[in-house]
Amino acid sequence: EAGVAQSPRYKIIEKRQSVAFWCNPISGHATLYWYQQILGQGPKLLIQFQNNGVVDDSQLPKDRFSAERLKGVDSTLKIQPAKLEDSAVYLCASSLDSGRLTDTQYFGPGTRLTVL
Amino acid sequence: AQTVTQSQPEMSVQEAETVTLSCTYDTSESDYYLFWYKQPPSRQMILVIRQEAYKQQNATENRFSVNFQKAAKSFSLKISDSQLGDAAMYFCAYRKQYGNKLVFGAGTILRVKS
Repeated sequence: EAGVAQSPRYKIIEKRQSVAFWCNPISGHATLYWYQQILGQGPKLLIQFQNNGVVDDSQLPKDRFSAERLKGVDSTLKIQPAKLEDSAVYLCASSLDSGRLTDTQYFGPGTRLTVL
Repeated sequence: AQTVTQSQPEMSVQEAETVTLSCTYDTSESDYYLFWYKQPPSRQMILVIRQEAYKQQNATENRFSVNFQKAAKSFSLKISDSQLGDAAMYFCAYRKQYGNKLVFGAGTILRVKS
């Protein structure tokens, strides 16, 4: 079974530029998550989708971050404009069904973003 | 809001020996889930073990076991017969009974010496 795919793996941009990350979840997984992992910290949930609807985006900085999951499969996370403090690893995860008590999240390899 | 604290930034263990990683959490909920995730240098995070708060029996997965103390809000991970492949960052995480939001601790780097 293929895992969660993410691209690119690394990205370096200058502040105020825009950047987009792509995630392809495990086939059949209804729920998709984007996490931000700043160096030395644990991952922090940015947004959670159930199919193509948003379940939780309470920690997404909406003035600069946006995310979409068209057709309930792939997802993109965009930052516009980027700030220095956005330097982090952006992890995508998916799970089968968020309604299940034993639902397990499977993580992708992440995209390491460096903002100069 | 729930918080998860891992007080050991880094731990070392000799190959074949046992090591315990600590985790404490804060919640007002009575039912919830606790997890240990492993993140090797390649960055693909994988689930190591899960504990349901309503279960008194500590979870075990091969060489990995937990010591869950609900009253103390403590959830430690014990790795027995440590192997070089166990070297990674380990994250403790909390999840409410209903809902999928994981709240992670800051992580503990585990180094395994040969």
